[in-house]
Amino acid sequence: DAMVIQNPRYQVTQFGKPVTLSCSQTLNHNVMYWYQQKSSQAPKLLFHYYDKDFNNEADTPDNFQSRRPNTSFCFLDIRSPGLGDAAMYLCATSSRLAGTYEQYFGPGTRLTVT
Amino acid sequence: AQKVTQAQTEISVVEKEDVTLDCVYETRDTTYYLFWYKQPPSGELVFLIRRNSFDEQNEISGRYSWNFQKSTSSFNFTITASQVVDSAVYFCALSELGNDMRFGAGTRLTVKP
Repeated sequence: DAMVIQNPRYQVTQFGKPVTLSCSQTLNHNVMYWYQQKSSQAPKLLFHYYDKDFNNEADTPDNFQSRRPNTSFCFLDIRSPGLGDAAMYLCATSSRLAGTYEQYFGPGTRLTVT
Repeated sequence: AQKVTQAQTEISVVEKEDVTLDCVYETRDTTYYLFWYKQPPSGELVFLIRRNSFDEQNEISGRYSWNFQKSTSSFNFTITASQVVDSAVYFCALSELGNDMRFGAGTRLTVKP
């Protein structure tokens, strides 16, 4: 089945230690998104790639970076995680070429910062 | 600016009751898309439905139904004969053409046996 895969599902990192979360997709969608979701809140968009074009949300901290080496993979890098960065990180994809706009989400990576 | 309001923070029902989750949106665009997502305790957001602004036809899928009314800017979601497995957080979302999706705050539905 076509899907969005996130690894790892659970990640523990130390305060200030860089961490990378990964996302891959078999849907061949041209847009990939990263969201941060804290407990009892709605997902908050961090940034997205439209093909190779990177689009950063205005309020996304510089501490968060992303890479998309090819259509299938996208990475979220947190350069110096703080305690406030502990959250669920959700990757999603969509096919704007199809004109439908719904996003398909991966299972998420729950990040703990110690 | 686009905005989505889900006024119901939490709803609790007993199994087999019908329940309606409200969603009110604001947009200046004439072309937009509305969505509902389900987030069970496992955490994955599951896409349920998409509706575009030109299609006000209501939709039914099994026990789920959606009522889209442009006159009141609402896109409400009804679960008929609720089941324990329906317990989740439900998000309504809006996407103006070409823009990213914005979520409402979510409604936590608890269905008790």
